[in-house]
Amino acid sequence: EAGVTQSPTHLIKTRGQQATLRCSPISGHTSVYWYQQALGLGLQFLLWYDEGEERNRGNFPPRFSGRQFPNYSSELNVNALELEDSALYLCASSLVGRGYTGELFFGEGSRLTVL
Amino acid sequence: QQQVKQSPQSLIVQKGGISIINCAYENTAFDYFPWYQQFPGKGPALLIAIRPDVSEKKEGRFTISFNKSAKQFSLHIMDSQPGDSATYFCAALTDSWGKLQFGAGTQVVVTP
Repeated sequence: EAGVTQSPTHLIKTRGQQATLRCSPISGHTSVYWYQQALGLGLQFLLWYDEGEERNRGNFPPRFSGRQFPNYSSELNVNALELEDSALYLCASSLVGRGYTGELFFGEGSRLTVL
Repeated sequence: QQQVKQSPQSLIVQKGGISIINCAYENTAFDYFPWYQQFPGKGPALLIAIRPDVSEKKEGRFTISFNKSAKQFSLHIMDSQPGDSATYFCAALTDSWGKLQFGAGTQVVVTP
């Protein structure tokens, strides 16, 4: 069974540009979560989508946005990129919509570098 | 604002030794406390988890100790092996939020 897949693996952008990251959850999982992993800051919650709806949002500015498609895949968009947006962006999926079990299945991440 | 505070930031232990990582939280609404393990170049993966109605849970060489009154929990890795070298994250969840709050992580290095 395929795990959570993310693309691209690496992405280099310049300040002010836009970045789009994509995620395909494990088959059967309806919830998708996005986390930002910056050096020394652990995993910061960005967004949670379930059944196509945004269910919760972390403490990030509106230029971080996303959506979930009917096939439950998701994309994260970061507009007006800033240097501090450089990080590993992790996508996770879960079977239970509210993530109650706590078990999230993570992809290997997309490394975004902003120059 | 870090909802879950984790220490130490890094840890070096000899093979066969005990690795201990501590976490503390403030929000008493948290009701599920998992630990995730992350190897370089990989996403985090669930290692072990505990709910606040028990004080300890053991799975193989990994043990979680939970102190509800102190709002602290810890991970003990017994008989540490070089293959345990990874970054470990504690986390906390409340169902009403539907999101995991992670600690900052502890990089564990087990020397041969």
